[in-house]
Amino acid sequence: GQQVMQIPQYQHVQEGEDFTTYCNSSTTLSNIQWYKQRPGGHPVFLIQLVKSGEVKKQKRLTFQFGEAKKNSSLHITATQTTDVGTYFCAGLREYGNKLVFGAGTILRVKS
Amino acid sequence: GAGVSQSPRYKVTKRGQDVALRCDPISGHVSLYWYRQALGQGPEFLTYFNYEAQQDKSGLPNDRFSAERPEGSISTLTIQRTEQRDSAMYRCASSLETQGAWRNTEAFFGQGTRLTVV
Repeated sequence: GQQVMQIPQYQHVQEGEDFTTYCNSSTTLSNIQWYKQRPGGHPVFLIQLVKSGEVKKQKRLTFQFGEAKKNSSLHITATQTTDVGTYFCAGLREYGNKLVFGAGTILRVKS
Repeated sequence: GAGVSQSPRYKVTKRGQDVALRCDPISGHVSLYWYRQALGQGPEFLTYFNYEAQQDKSGLPNDRFSAERPEGSISTLTIQRTEQRDSAMYRCASSLETQGAWRNTEAFFGQGTRLTVV
């Protein structure tokens, strides 16, 4: 079945450093979504990418969708303590409506 | 309501008992999803509805698990003859539109039901 892999599993950075998490699907995706989950909270939608090679920015966050629509990345510039949480990608396969989540990347930021 | 509401928030049950978990999606949302999330893991897809129709139940672990959404709004996930391995956070999410490449299909999650089977 469709699998979505995410790396790294965990990253601990110094405040001000950059952070990147990568998402890879075993099948071509129709779109990809990114969510953030704070400790003790629930996943909250960040963004959706649809087009091959698409790049979107939200302040210090940059999201990319690969040309083959099988991989994606989230990059945070100059991390802040408010960025702490788990970042999930979720892929929608080309045929069907099942939104499959990756295992997530846990981000910890040292101040 | 203002958001996705799940009840109960916490459920402790004895092995072998049946449990019913409820999800009240955002009013007007077409799609409703059930996920299970283990600690430190991503949400694991269980099943999905468009209106009252169950579109995909491929993620349900076995036939002890079932879900319904009879009027296209509130949904219930039922686990029969619970086992300890069923212990997890069960999350419901809804989206305004059905999934599709060009649609804005932001999924809104509820707070979840923490199920513990003892």
